[in-house]
Amino acid sequence: GNSVTQMEGPVTLSEEAFLTINCTYTATGYPSLFWYVQYPGEGLQLLLKATKADDKGSNKGFEATYRKETTSFHLEKGSVQVSDSAVYFCALSEGGGSNYKLTFGKGTLLTVNP
Amino acid sequence: DAGVIQSPRHEVTEMGQEVTLRCKPISGHNSLFWYRQTMMRGLELLIYFNNNVPIDDSGMPEDRFSAKMPNASFSTLKIQPSEPRDSAVYFCASTRGRGELFFGEGSRLTVL
Repeated sequence: GNSVTQMEGPVTLSEEAFLTINCTYTATGYPSLFWYVQYPGEGLQLLLKATKADDKGSNKGFEATYRKETTSFHLEKGSVQVSDSAVYFCALSEGGGSNYKLTFGKGTLLTVNP
Repeated sequence: DAGVIQSPRHEVTEMGQEVTLRCKPISGHNSLFWYRQTMMRGLELLIYFNNNVPIDDSGMPEDRFSAKMPNASFSTLKIQPSEPRDSAVYFCASTRGRGELFFGEGSRLTVL
């Protein structure tokens, strides 16, 4: 079956540091890949996505590239801010038509200190 | 536009009691998902509906859990009887397209 493996947290960085959160996946077909973010006390929200190999998703300074050869979708940001403190989830989606479901990783807690 | 609306936001109950969680998806979205989040197990998909029809309920832990979607604007997740191990945050999410789920703020359930 499908699965997503993320680096375990927590990750603690100082403001303006470089961020990488690793994500690898296992899927039987050609999934779409996503990063979701969960701020304290809130539900998850989509951060970025990529739907095919070599696509790069980007948003709010975050980037991730769909690497089929390494089955990876690592999240990066060049300079983190305190407001980026949240839990980050990698996810994949397989399915046809309008029926699909997301498989999530366990999440990585990021804390950014001023 | 209103987002996904869940109620109650917090529920504290005693073991053995019935719990009903409610969700109103975003208007126009045709798929609805119920997830459970705990520290130990992370985010688990319980069940999802497409056009009000349950498509996959393989994540429902046991018969104590049931979910319904009587119409396009309302869904319930019921636990009867509740147990302490059901304590978690339950999220509802909806979508009309592949990939972007819109989550509610969650219902935090504590079973004593």
